[in-house]
Amino acid sequence: GAGVSQSPSNKVTEKGKDVELRCDPISGHTALYWYRQSLGQGLEFLIYFQGNSAPDKSGLPSDRFSAERTGGSVSTLTIQRTQQEDSAVYLCASRRAGRYYNSPLHFGNGTRLTVT
Amino acid sequence: AQSVTQLGSHVSVSEGALVLLRCNYSSSVPPYLFWYVQYPNQGLQLLLKYTSAATLVKGINGFEAEFKKSETSFHLTKPSAHMSDAAEYFCAAYSGGGADGLTFGKGTHLIIQP
Repeated sequence: GAGVSQSPSNKVTEKGKDVELRCDPISGHTALYWYRQSLGQGLEFLIYFQGNSAPDKSGLPSDRFSAERTGGSVSTLTIQRTQQEDSAVYLCASRRAGRYYNSPLHFGNGTRLTVT
Repeated sequence: AQSVTQLGSHVSVSEGALVLLRCNYSSSVPPYLFWYVQYPNQGLQLLLKYTSAATLVKGINGFEAEFKKSETSFHLTKPSAHMSDAAEYFCAAYSGGGADGLTFGKGTHLIIQP
């Protein structure tokens, strides 16, 4: 079946520009996560969506970062006025939630963002 | 909040040797535990998960992990390393709730020496 799809796979942008990263989760997965992975680093949690609940934005590093999830499916992560330190791989993951406590995350291949 | 500790940011083994990647969790209540592998330029892929049905869990590519409650550990092993096992490995724990309930270790980079 189809996995988590992220687009674009690579994005090069100039400092100060806005970028949008898209994530299409697995159908039926109610939980959606965004992570950031800088070169050689672990996973940095950014934001979490669960069904129709208010998202957990506790990981967003600044107010330049925002995300939305439309219709409980596709999610878009927006970074405004990009800075060089925003360069990283942005990973999206989804999972069945609710009573499926041991359901694992399914990850997309990520978007590699380079800010020049 | 619970934490997940992976000992060793880099582990190097010879091809054919035993692979041992260490993971410890902090929760007093055993969480659900996972190991993920990340190959270059890819997302994370599930290797195996602990579901409380058995303490020894077998995963893909010959990997297995043993849950030891007394040691709060979930170490990943493979009897004989292959060159294709070179990758980043992440241990994760889920103890319920929202995003706060899901915690990743910092990862271990596995290097296979020919």
